[in-house]
Amino acid sequence: GAVVSQHPSWVICKSGTSVKIECRSLDFQATTMFWYRQFPKQSLMLMATSNEGSKATYEQGVEKDKFLINHASLTLSTLTVTSAHPEDSSFYICSARDWRAYYGYTFGSGTRLTVV
Amino acid sequence: GQQVMQIPQYQHVQEGEDFTTYCNSSTTLSNIQWYKQRPGGHPVFLIQLVKSGEVKKQKRLTFQFGEAKKNSSLHITATQTTDVGTYFCAGNLQGGSEKLVFGKGTKLTVNP
Repeated sequence: GAVVSQHPSWVICKSGTSVKIECRSLDFQATTMFWYRQFPKQSLMLMATSNEGSKATYEQGVEKDKFLINHASLTLSTLTVTSAHPEDSSFYICSARDWRAYYGYTFGSGTRLTVV
Repeated sequence: GQQVMQIPQYQHVQEGEDFTTYCNSSTTLSNIQWYKQRPGGHPVFLIQLVKSGEVKKQKRLTFQFGEAKKNSSLHITATQTTDVGTYFCAGNLQGGSEKLVFGKGTKLTVNP
């Protein structure tokens, strides 16, 4: 089945620094990838839709200058949390869909970000 | 905006009991998908329903999609401890949108 690889699995960073999270589709091409944020015991909140070769589409209330998304190739999307603050601490998950198969959306394993 | 409501938020059952979670959308969906997220893990795709009134089964799991394509349910027969996790419904809106709208999930715990 379709595999989405997300790295790192967890990261601890200092306030004010930036963190880059990578999301790769390993065995299929993904022109579109999705970035979610999940708070403890809550549902997934869509942050943005990453489009290969063009600008990402951000959901209402998500700061595009703070959460930079780059989708440089058909298999890689990155999310950079810039000038991180403790309130940015969360679980970030990416997903993509392999339209060749009937797999629904495949999610990465997620990145647990802790800003100290 | 588009909303997908899911109830109950939590469900605790004894092993062997049945479990059902319900999903209701404020707008018509193109499809309904169900995902399971184990504690500490990421959502894993279970199934997709596309047709109005569709019913699908996966062993002890039965999935239904309503006639109006606005509601859905997941029923687990004779729960096992391996069923523990949070079950999310999610759907694509009609019109070809690739965005998934998620329900808030139902957290299932099973007492052995």
